[in-house]
Amino acid sequence: DTAVSQTPKYLVTQMGNDKSIKCEQNLGHDTMYWYKQDSKKFLKIMFSYNNKELIINETVPNRFSPKSPDKAHLNLHINSLELGDSAVYFCASSQPRGRKFFGPGTRLTVL
Amino acid sequence: QKEVEQDPGPLSVPEGAIVSLNCTYSNSAFQYFMWYRQYSRKGPELLMYTYSSGNKEDGRFTAQVDKSSKYISLFIRDSQPSDSATYLCAIPPNAGGTSYGKLTFGQGTILTVHP
Repeated sequence: DTAVSQTPKYLVTQMGNDKSIKCEQNLGHDTMYWYKQDSKKFLKIMFSYNNKELIINETVPNRFSPKSPDKAHLNLHINSLELGDSAVYFCASSQPRGRKFFGPGTRLTVL
Repeated sequence: QKEVEQDPGPLSVPEGAIVSLNCTYSNSAFQYFMWYRQYSRKGPELLMYTYSSGNKEDGRFTAQVDKSSKYISLFIRDSQPSDSATYLCAIPPNAGGTSYGKLTFGQGTILTVHP
């Protein structure tokens, strides 16, 4: 059974489009995250939710809007996509003081 | 200066070699140190976790922390082709633990172990 799953795995789209990435975890964790990994493998946190409440919001353009409909889901919606948004986006979950489990990643390419 | 710095490599070694991966950090208040392993096209997974200074061993892997130098290392003995991956050091910002998990990652070192 997949612990943290993301869809889609690959996303290729044109500049200016709006897209969403979905994340689900079946570990019963309270905290979920979105990380962005650039082409140089640099992994940086974007958002963190605890019990559906936004906890961490790094300096991310407001074109990025996370939504947590329940504790097991954290989706990421991106408006007006730009070339620089091309990256791999990882969802992760943990208990608040616990080990993180990462999803397989969504590889976003903006043309 | 970045909070955590890591030589991105790439590093290529023959099977059986001892591998040394290193990170430096800037904040002397950091107390917890982690190493993640990321296989190609996969998400990172926690490999080892240490607290404060000293060594921690797990099979072929040894994590070492030198707080006086703000230097952390991961050693892999008898490296195998299956160890080929990107290795990322990671540090939580709060001295008290990983609450809400705002991990700061190093850039990652790409390791290839060839047969």
